[in-house]
Amino acid sequence: GAGVSQSPSNKVTEKGKDVELRCDPISGHTALYWYRQRLGQGLEFLIYFQGNSAPDKSGLPSDRFSAERTGESVSTLTIQRTQQEDSAVYLCASSLGTGLYEQYFGPGTRLTVT
Amino acid sequence: QKEVEQNSGPLSVPEGAIASLNCTYSDRGSQSFFWYRQYSGKSPELIMSIYSNGDKEDGRFTAQLNKASQYVSLLIRDSQPSDSATYLCAVTSWGISGNTPLVFGKGTRLSVIA
Repeated sequence: GAGVSQSPSNKVTEKGKDVELRCDPISGHTALYWYRQRLGQGLEFLIYFQGNSAPDKSGLPSDRFSAERTGESVSTLTIQRTQQEDSAVYLCASSLGTGLYEQYFGPGTRLTVT
Repeated sequence: QKEVEQNSGPLSVPEGAIASLNCTYSDRGSQSFFWYRQYSGKSPELIMSIYSNGDKEDGRFTAQLNKASQYVSLLIRDSQPSDSATYLCAVTSWGISGNTPLVFGKGTRLSVIA
């Protein structure tokens, strides 16, 4: 079946602009996660949605970052007033949710802030 | 602070040899353990999951878990040049609202020499 999809695959933006990144999870997956990976670094957790529960926003690095999810489908990660340090690959993952299920990653969005 | 530690490598092994990748974690409450493979410029790809102490085999891959020692490893038998990648260890546990986000190690870079 279809995996996790993300768009755009690449985004170049000027410092100070807002960007929106989109994630389509695997159908039927109730849990959705956003991670960030800076060049040569490990993955850092950003935010997590599980069904209708309040999202876990504990990983968001600043109030410039926000995310929404429509039901158990698409999620959008928004970064306002982008900074150069926001340049990274933004990865979305989904899992079946309740329980210790495996997380599957999308291809990522490479964000470059100039 | 939950931490996952891996030797960054590079770990170089000759083709056909066994590659052994190790990971330790700090949270004794961790319940699920995953190995992801990440090729340069690509997103992480799940290769193994393990939930209970002991060994779990899948083809050329064997995951080993020792919760008492807070240690998980991945063995790759008959290593091939195509196995050359960064291997990420990831750990999660059960939270109030379900699966908690993965905590990743920084990865071990494996190089299989033909």
